[in-house]
Amino acid sequence: GAVVSQHPSRVICKSGTSVKIECRSLDFQATTMFWYRQFPKQSLMLMATSNEGSKATYEQGVEKDKFLINHASLTLSTLTVTSAHPEDSSFYICSARGGWAETQYFGPGTRLLVL
Amino acid sequence: QKEVEQDPGPLSVPEGAIVSLNCTYSNSAFQYFMWYRQYSRKGPELLMYTYSSGNKEDGRFTAQVDKSSKYISLFIRDSQPSDSATYLCAMSDNNAGNMLTFGGGTRLMVKP
Repeated sequence: GAVVSQHPSRVICKSGTSVKIECRSLDFQATTMFWYRQFPKQSLMLMATSNEGSKATYEQGVEKDKFLINHASLTLSTLTVTSAHPEDSSFYICSARGGWAETQYFGPGTRLLVL
Repeated sequence: QKEVEQDPGPLSVPEGAIVSLNCTYSNSAFQYFMWYRQYSRKGPELLMYTYSSGNKEDGRFTAQVDKSSKYISLFIRDSQPSDSATYLCAMSDNNAGNMLTFGGGTRLMVKP
């Protein structure tokens, strides 16, 4: 149980385009989902907390107009990287709160490469 | 000083060895402690979850929490090459599902 999926797993796009990443909790409902960014050989950096039916809470330094988060249902949150640039290239990971431990369960991650 | 300190490694051990991974923290309000395993280019996978002090065992894994010393450990018995990954400790002060504070991760390599 407590499975979280992400789609796509990998995306390559041109500079200036927008990219949408989906995060789904497959076997549990998640009122809260989290979006992280991870650079090579570094730990997870929390970008924002997403609550179903309300606006996301962004961490300091994260541009909310650039990283649009929508948590439309109890099983789906989306992160849209708008007007992506090469510096946005990174590994994006979502997590969903729930499961037997009521803790965060992570998705497999999405690798974004902006050319 | 970081709120959670974790030796980045890499830690290299032979197959079958007992592995000890550790984190120290400074926030005495932390009550929920987790260990995640992350393989390269994958999302973290929850391994162990502990509330407050004490030990918890699950198969080859044992998690220990010493709140008086602000020190947590993960022991892996009979380590296997498939255990080679980065291990992240994480902790929370009020609810395990709320914001987590992560250690930087320890990279473990188990050599056959």
